[in-house]
Amino acid sequence: AQKITQTQPGMFVQEKEAVTLDCTYDTSDPSYGLFWYKQPSSGEMIFLIYQGSYDQQNATEGRYSLNFQKARKSANLVISASQLGDSAMYFCAMREGVGGGGNKLTFGTGTQLKVEL
Amino acid sequence: EPEVTQTPSHQVTQMGQEVILRCVPISNHLYFYWYRQILGQKVEFLVSFYNNEISEKSEIFDDQFSVERPDGSNFTLKIRSTKLEDSAMYFCASTGSRETQYFGPGTRLLVL
Repeated sequence: AQKITQTQPGMFVQEKEAVTLDCTYDTSDPSYGLFWYKQPSSGEMIFLIYQGSYDQQNATEGRYSLNFQKARKSANLVISASQLGDSAMYFCAMREGVGGGGNKLTFGTGTQLKVEL
Repeated sequence: EPEVTQTPSHQVTQMGQEVILRCVPISNHLYFYWYRQILGQKVEFLVSFYNNEISEKSEIFDDQFSVERPDGSNFTLKIRSTKLEDSAMYFCASTGSRETQYFGPGTRLLVL
Protein backbone atom coordinates (compact mmCIF):
# COMPACT_ATOMS: atom_id res chain seq x y z
CA ALA A 1 0.00 0.00 0.00
CA GLN A 2 1.16 3.50 -0.76
CA LYS A 3 2.19 5.42 2.32
CA ILE A 4 1.56 8.80 0.70
CA THR A 5 -1.11 9.29 -1.94
CA GLN A 6 -1.51 12.38 -4.05
CA THR A 7 -4.45 11.82 -6.37
CA GLN A 8 -4.17 15.02 -8.42
CA PRO A 9 -1.45 14.69 -11.04
CA GLY A 10 -2.22 18.21 -12.30
CA MET A 11 -4.13 21.24 -11.10
CA PHE A 12 -4.94 24.63 -12.57
CA VAL A 13 -5.79 27.74 -10.55
CA GLN A 14 -6.43 31.36 -11.45
CA GLU A 15 -4.02 33.93 -10.10
CA LYS A 16 -5.12 35.32 -6.71
CA GLU A 17 -7.42 32.35 -6.07
CA ALA A 18 -6.88 29.75 -3.37
CA VAL A 19 -6.07 26.15 -4.23
CA THR A 20 -6.03 22.92 -2.24
CA LEU A 21 -3.63 20.10 -3.02
CA ASP A 22 -4.67 16.76 -1.61
CA CYS A 23 -2.55 14.34 0.35
CA THR A 24 -3.57 11.22 2.24
CA TYR A 25 -1.22 9.05 4.22
CA ASP A 26 -1.09 5.61 5.71
CA THR A 27 0.76 4.73 8.87
CA SER A 28 0.18 2.73 12.02
CA ASP A 29 2.80 4.71 13.94
CA PRO A 30 1.23 7.15 16.42
CA SER A 31 4.14 9.54 15.98
CA TYR A 32 4.75 10.96 12.53
CA GLY A 33 5.33 14.19 10.68
CA LEU A 34 3.96 15.48 7.42
CA PHE A 35 5.80 17.82 5.09
CA TRP A 36 5.14 19.67 1.89
CA TYR A 37 7.88 20.55 -0.58
CA LYS A 38 7.78 22.66 -3.73
CA GLN A 39 9.84 21.70 -6.77
CA PRO A 40 10.01 24.39 -9.46
CA SER A 41 11.08 23.54 -12.99
CA SER A 42 14.67 24.30 -12.00
CA GLY A 43 14.59 21.14 -9.90
CA GLU A 44 15.39 22.12 -6.34
CA MET A 45 13.26 20.95 -3.41
CA ILE A 46 11.98 23.80 -1.26
CA PHE A 47 10.52 23.09 2.17
CA LEU A 48 7.14 24.75 2.67
CA ILE A 49 5.39 23.52 5.80
CA TYR A 50 5.41 20.85 8.52
CA GLN A 51 2.72 19.27 10.67
CA GLY A 52 3.44 16.91 13.55
CA SER A 53 0.96 14.17 14.44
CA TYR A 54 0.51 15.54 17.93
CA ASP A 55 0.13 19.16 16.91
CA GLN A 56 -3.23 20.47 18.01
CA GLN A 57 -3.44 23.26 15.49
CA ASN A 58 -3.09 23.27 11.74
CA ALA A 59 0.28 24.57 10.59
CA THR A 60 0.51 27.86 8.72
CA GLU A 61 3.44 29.54 6.98
CA GLY A 62 2.54 32.75 5.22
CA ARG A 63 0.26 31.90 2.30
CA TYR A 64 0.59 28.17 2.99
CA SER A 65 -1.59 26.30 5.44
CA LEU A 66 -1.99 22.62 6.11
CA ASN A 67 -5.49 21.24 6.57
CA PHE A 68 -4.71 18.33 8.90
CA GLN A 69 -7.54 15.85 9.41
CA LYS A 70 -6.06 13.11 11.54
CA ALA A 71 -9.07 10.79 11.56
CA ARG A 72 -9.20 10.90 7.77
CA LYS A 73 -5.41 10.66 7.50
CA SER A 74 -5.27 13.64 5.23
CA ALA A 75 -2.87 16.57 5.14
CA ASN A 76 -3.97 18.87 2.36
CA LEU A 77 -1.94 21.92 1.43
CA VAL A 78 -3.85 25.15 0.93
CA ILE A 79 -2.19 27.96 -0.98
CA SER A 80 -4.02 31.26 -0.66
CA ALA A 81 -3.84 34.12 -3.17
CA SER A 82 -2.00 32.10 -5.81
CA GLN A 83 0.84 33.75 -7.68
CA LEU A 84 2.42 32.90 -11.01
CA GLY A 85 5.54 31.89 -9.14
CA ASP A 86 3.58 29.16 -7.37
CA SER A 87 3.55 27.14 -10.59
CA ALA A 88 5.57 24.05 -9.68
CA MET A 89 5.40 20.43 -8.63
CA TYR A 90 4.30 19.93 -5.04
CA PHE A 91 5.23 16.88 -3.02
CA CYS A 92 3.72 15.63 0.20
CA ALA A 93 6.05 13.58 2.41
CA MET A 94 5.89 11.71 5.70
CA ARG A 95 8.33 10.85 8.46
CA GLU A 96 7.34 7.91 10.65
CA GLY A 97 8.50 7.44 14.20
CA VAL A 98 9.57 9.90 16.84
CA GLY A 99 10.97 13.07 15.37
CA GLY A 100 14.20 14.84 16.14
CA GLY A 101 16.20 13.83 13.12
CA GLY A 102 17.38 10.75 11.32
CA ASN A 103 14.11 9.45 9.99
CA LYS A 104 13.70 9.07 6.25
CA LEU A 105 10.99 10.84 4.31
CA THR A 106 8.56 8.94 2.12
CA PHE A 107 7.23 11.01 -0.76
CA GLY A 108 4.08 11.01 -2.79
CA THR A 109 4.00 11.19 -6.57
CA GLY A 110 3.39 14.93 -6.61
CA THR A 111 0.88 17.39 -8.01
CA GLN A 112 1.84 19.72 -10.85
CA LEU A 113 0.24 23.10 -10.18
CA LYS A 114 -0.18 25.67 -12.92
CA VAL A 115 -1.25 29.20 -12.00
CA GLU A 116 -2.96 31.05 -14.82
CA LEU A 117 -3.64 34.75 -15.37
CA GLU B 1 20.43 31.98 5.36
CA PRO B 2 22.45 28.76 5.53
CA GLU B 3 21.75 26.23 2.79
CA VAL B 4 22.81 22.84 1.57
CA THR B 5 25.09 22.97 -1.46
CA GLN B 6 25.87 20.24 -3.98
CA THR B 7 28.49 19.81 -6.66
CA PRO B 8 28.50 19.26 -9.53
CA SER B 9 25.11 20.50 -10.68
CA HIS B 10 25.30 18.20 -13.71
CA GLN B 11 27.42 15.14 -14.42
CA VAL B 12 27.58 12.99 -17.52
CA THR B 13 29.43 9.69 -17.26
CA GLN B 14 29.91 6.46 -19.15
CA MET B 15 28.35 3.26 -17.92
CA GLY B 16 30.72 1.41 -15.62
CA GLN B 17 32.53 4.54 -14.45
CA GLU B 18 32.72 5.67 -10.86
CA VAL B 19 31.13 8.95 -9.83
CA ILE B 20 31.33 10.94 -6.62
CA LEU B 21 28.61 13.40 -5.79
CA ARG B 22 29.47 16.00 -3.22
CA CYS B 23 27.38 17.83 -0.67
CA VAL B 24 28.05 20.42 1.98
CA PRO B 25 25.26 20.18 4.57
CA ILE B 26 24.20 23.09 6.75
CA SER B 27 27.05 23.59 9.20
CA ASN B 28 25.42 22.75 12.55
CA HIS B 29 23.29 19.88 11.23
CA LEU B 30 23.86 16.37 12.47
CA TYR B 31 21.83 14.12 10.18
CA PHE B 32 22.52 13.72 6.50
CA TYR B 33 20.62 12.02 3.72
CA TRP B 34 20.75 11.14 0.06
CA TYR B 35 17.64 10.83 -2.08
CA ARG B 36 17.21 10.32 -5.78
CA GLN B 37 14.52 11.24 -8.27
CA ILE B 38 14.35 9.48 -11.60
CA LEU B 39 12.97 11.82 -14.24
CA GLY B 40 9.23 12.29 -13.85
CA GLN B 41 9.01 10.11 -10.76
CA LYS B 42 8.80 10.66 -7.04
CA VAL B 43 11.69 11.26 -4.71
CA GLU B 44 13.13 8.07 -3.20
CA PHE B 45 15.19 7.67 -0.03
CA LEU B 46 18.64 6.15 -0.44
CA VAL B 47 20.50 6.47 2.85
CA SER B 48 20.72 8.38 6.11
CA PHE B 49 23.93 9.09 8.02
CA TYR B 50 24.56 10.13 11.60
CA ASN B 51 27.61 10.16 13.83
CA ASN B 52 29.83 8.94 11.02
CA GLU B 53 27.84 5.88 10.19
CA ILE B 54 24.87 4.80 8.13
CA SER B 55 21.69 4.80 10.21
CA GLU B 56 19.34 3.50 7.54
CA LYS B 57 19.51 2.51 3.89
CA SER B 58 16.97 1.51 1.30
CA GLU B 59 16.92 -1.46 -1.05
CA ILE B 60 18.23 0.82 -3.77
CA PHE B 61 21.40 1.47 -1.80
CA ASP B 62 23.27 -1.69 -2.74
CA ASP B 63 26.98 -2.49 -2.71
CA GLN B 64 27.56 -0.14 -5.64
CA PHE B 65 26.78 2.82 -3.40
CA SER B 66 28.75 4.21 -0.50
CA VAL B 67 28.70 7.37 1.56
CA GLU B 68 31.40 9.17 3.43
CA ARG B 69 31.97 12.25 5.51
CA PRO B 70 35.66 12.76 4.78
CA ASP B 71 35.99 15.95 6.81
CA GLY B 72 33.88 18.23 8.96
CA SER B 73 31.96 19.75 6.10
CA ASN B 74 31.60 17.43 3.11
CA PHE B 75 29.25 14.49 2.66
CA THR B 76 29.73 12.35 -0.43
CA LEU B 77 27.85 9.69 -2.35
CA LYS B 78 29.93 7.34 -4.48
CA ILE B 79 28.57 5.06 -7.16
CA ARG B 80 31.31 2.57 -8.00
CA SER B 81 30.18 1.29 -11.38
CA THR B 82 27.37 3.31 -12.83
CA LYS B 83 24.47 1.76 -14.73
CA LEU B 84 22.05 3.36 -17.14
CA GLU B 85 19.32 3.16 -14.51
CA ASP B 86 21.38 5.29 -12.12
CA SER B 87 20.52 8.31 -14.27
CA ALA B 88 18.55 10.57 -11.95
CA MET B 89 18.62 13.74 -9.90
CA TYR B 90 20.43 13.10 -6.62
CA PHE B 91 19.52 15.25 -3.64
CA CYS B 92 21.46 15.68 -0.46
CA ALA B 93 19.55 16.82 2.64
CA SER B 94 20.41 17.63 6.22
CA THR B 95 18.60 18.04 9.53
CA GLY B 96 19.54 19.81 12.70
CA SER B 97 17.85 19.73 16.06
CA ARG B 98 14.53 20.33 14.38
CA GLU B 99 13.46 17.60 12.08
CA THR B 100 12.83 19.47 8.88
CA GLN B 101 15.06 18.14 6.13
CA TYR B 102 16.57 20.87 4.01
CA PHE B 103 17.49 19.80 0.51
CA GLY B 104 20.31 20.87 -1.71
CA PRO B 105 19.74 21.92 -5.33
CA GLY B 106 20.56 18.44 -6.61
CA THR B 107 23.01 16.86 -9.03
CA ARG B 108 21.64 15.66 -12.36
CA LEU B 109 23.48 12.47 -13.25
CA LEU B 110 23.28 11.10 -16.77
CA VAL B 111 24.81 7.70 -17.47
CA LEU B 112 25.45 6.94 -21.14
